[in-house]
Amino acid sequence: DVKVTQSSRYLVKRTGEKVFLECVQDMDHENMFWYRQDPGLGLRLIYFSYDVKMKEKGDIPEGYSVSREKKERFSLILESASTNQTSMYLCASRPGTSGVWTDTQYFGPGTRLTVL
Amino acid sequence: KQEVTQIPAALSVPEGENLVLNCSFTDSAIYNLQWFRQDPGKGLTSLLLIQSSQREQTSGRLNASLDKSSGRSTLYIAASQPGDSATYLCAVRPHTGFQKLVFGTGTRLLVSP
Repeated sequence: DVKVTQSSRYLVKRTGEKVFLECVQDMDHENMFWYRQDPGLGLRLIYFSYDVKMKEKGDIPEGYSVSREKKERFSLILESASTNQTSMYLCASRPGTSGVWTDTQYFGPGTRLTVL
Repeated sequence: KQEVTQIPAALSVPEGENLVLNCSFTDSAIYNLQWFRQDPGKGLTSLLLIQSSQREQTSGRLNASLDKSSGRSTLYIAASQPGDSATYLCAVRPHTGFQKLVFGTGTRLLVSP
């Protein structure tokens, strides 16, 4: 079974702190994603990566950056946390079979981040 | 821009009922549609994925259908159980920006004993 793990289930940080959220997958997937989920807004894509050291902006990248130094690990960085970044953060991965857009996306358990 | 809508936002049924969850999308140019389940405070679990060339997929008591031309999908749950209580999300993979999934906001289902 595919396993996507996230470093923390719950995290509380102060405004202005630098925050790192880590995601690891164990199935050699090329594609990895970071979403945030807010009530009434659903899941919104922050960033994704289709290969090591490659990244692309999603729909709401402002205030975030990402790092992918190894294939299995994708980090989300909040450079200076703000209260409006309080949210549930979900990581996902997906195989990168070329030309086959039928593959399933697998999600981690989520990190509930509160910024005070 | 692709938009995905799920109606109703919440649904409460007694155990044993068959039920249908609805998902609609505005642009029929999609590669596939996926249904997920999310338990409170948890991540998403994939239930069914329907390719754009398919009409339906089945897994156990779940059956998902896809009518791409009308921009609709339904998730049918047979003989519902309290353990089915969760939020159900649908997501489409559009032709434009194909790396991304576009999610609906979900239907929160409560099955009471």
